Amino acid sequence: NAGVTQTPKFRVLKTGQSMTLLCAQDMNHEYMYWYRQDPGMGLRLIHYSVGEGTTAKGEVPDGYNVSRLKKQNFLLGLESAAPSQTSVYFCASSRWTSGRDIQYFGAGTRLSVL
Amino acid sequence: DAKTTQPPSMDCAEGRAANLPCNHSTISGNEYVYWYRQIHSQGPQYIIHGLKNNETNEMASLIITEDRKSSTLILPHATLRDTAVYYCIVRDSGGSNYKLTFGKGTLLTVNP
Repeated sequence: NAGVTQTPKFRVLKTGQSMTLLCAQDMNHEYMYWYRQDPGMGLRLIHYSVGEGTTAKGEVPDGYNVSRLKKQNFLLGLESAAPSQTSVYFCASSRWTSGRDIQYFGAGTRLSVL
Repeated sequence: DAKTTQPPSMDCAEGRAANLPCNHSTISGNEYVYWYRQIHSQGPQYIIHGLKNNETNEMASLIITEDRKSSTLILPHATLRDTAVYYCIVRDSGGSNYKLTFGKGTLLTVNP
């Protein structure tokens, strides 16, 4: 049982390049999330999904797009990377039960934009 | 979601109990208290959650005061691997707010 797997683990981009971060979960969770964490700060929600085929904006969605074509996968895209997007990106998944949910996180993707 | 206040850092000796406090004086009746931790460079890890009763699992115990305005996370026998930032998060059970709001948390350092 792998839980939440993120690929790649590290990436360096040049300004203006594009890339896609992949998140895969094997827990059959309905909900998936993308967060970013900057040095010395807590996580901030970028986008989330409450089910296959649905996505919604979080706190800091600008510059990112997402897709949830399959229940187990949640993709985060950067169309034109900027230095301000240098960060550590975490994916999480969860299932809401009786008003509670526990989010399970991946190991993170460390992205540098030069 | 109610705001939480935690001390920025704490130390604990290995093998001793670590008691991490959290203040959430504006918590409302349908809000749960969650604890997560983040070991350096890793993804956050769920520890425990509760509504009003004390809770215990294999990782920790959660003590919530009767007025629900504060709580304490207890790691009964801290090890070096418990060194991490611990986040206390208060969250609505309504299911309309999906994000976890991570504040600055408490950096717990377990010393040999």
